[in-house]
Formats: sequence, structure tokens, C-alpha cells
Amino acid sequence: DAGVTQSPTHLIKTRGQQVTLRCSPKSGHDTVSWYQQALGQGPQFIFQYYEEEERQRGNFPDRFSGHQFPNYSSELNVNALLLGDSALYLCASSSASGGAYEQYFGPGTRLTVT
Amino acid sequence: AQSVTQPDIHITVSEGASLELRCNYSYGATPYLFWYVQSPGQGLQLLLKYFSGDTLVQGIKGFEAEFKRSQSSFNLRKPSVHWSDAAEYFCAVGLPYGGATNKLIFGTGTLLAVQP
Repeated sequence: DAGVTQSPTHLIKTRGQQVTLRCSPKSGHDTVSWYQQALGQGPQFIFQYYEEEERQRGNFPDRFSGHQFPNYSSELNVNALLLGDSALYLCASSSASGGAYEQYFGPGTRLTVT
Repeated sequence: AQSVTQPDIHITVSEGASLELRCNYSYGATPYLFWYVQSPGQGLQLLLKYFSGDTLVQGIKGFEAEFKRSQSSFNLRKPSVHWSDAAEYFCAVGLPYGGATNKLIFGTGTLLAVQP
């Protein structure tokens, strides 16, 4: 049983560019959350998707957007990249029937903005 | 505002010694509480969780945690640390939003080093 998978593993972008990160949830899970983890910090909640809709959002600008597909996989898009967007981006999946509290994390995508 | 505090940024223990990592939270009701572990360059692995009931919860890898409502704490313990336990440990609070959604609020983490 595959866990949460994310792609790509690493990514290097230039300021002002756009990036798309991808996540496939654990089998049986229907809810996907995205977190940003800056170096030396704990993960910060970006947003959560359920039934292909953004259900709640953390304190992140509109440059951060997402999408959930009918197969529950998800994308995170970041426009107009800033140096401060450099971080590890973590995807977590959970089951809405379980209240979506028990979240399982993928290995993350390391984004470097130069 | 809801918050999670891990007062110890870095802890070093000897292999075989006992371990306690501290976590305090600020939340108006009884939260859902979690401990995660992160090895270098890796994602987060769930060690244990507290939703309700018995305040002493057992997790994987021999870890346990105790919820103390009066102290707003959820400290992680292990009786005998192994070198493979060296990693960063994060305490988190699960906050309900509505319906079936929620988000996790994380502390800043405690980096554990294990001496031979």
C-alpha cells in the first residue's frame, strides 16, 4: 500500500517564475492538506482540499493556489516566486470520515528560489 | 490565538538514557494532539495521537505521551533512547474548522541528538 507521494523531490526556480507541485494521497484518503516548512521551523498550514474544493486556508497570499482532482490527487501552484518561498513543501492526506485529523505526510518537495 | 510551544530547541541525551520532550498548547477546548518525528530531509512520521479517553497514549517505536489538561501539556517520553531516535520532533494541535476538515498547528520542533 503506497503512502503519500510527492513530485518532484527537488526544484530550483528563479524569482518571478511559477511552480507546480504534485501530491498523490494515501490509498483510501480523500482529503489533502499542504504545508510549508521553512528551514528550522515547524510546518505552516497553507490550505486543505476536500471534494475538489478548498475548504480552509492558512495565512498565505493568493499567489498560493491549489487544485484537487477527482482521483483525490492535488496540485499546489505558486506564482511570482519570491526568495522567501524557498522551503520544504509537505503534502498530507487524511480521511474525511475520520474527521481528517490523522494526517499522513509525504516526503516533501524541496523548493529553492534563486 | 491557538499556539504550540516546544521550549527545548535542542536536546542531547546518551544512548540508553530516558527522554522527555516538552509540549504546551494554547487552545480554548480540549484539542486533538499529535507528535510527529522528522529525520533529516524527510517528511513527517506520526508517532502517536491523543483524541480522548486515557490520558497516557502509546505510540510507535516505544514512545508514549501524557496529556495533562491542568498544565495544557502533552509531553513525549521514552524510557531508553536508541541512536536511531536522533531526529527532530514536532508537537501539533489539530483544530476543527467545520464539517470534516481541520488543520494542524505545529510547534517549532525539538532537535534530539543521541550520544553513544
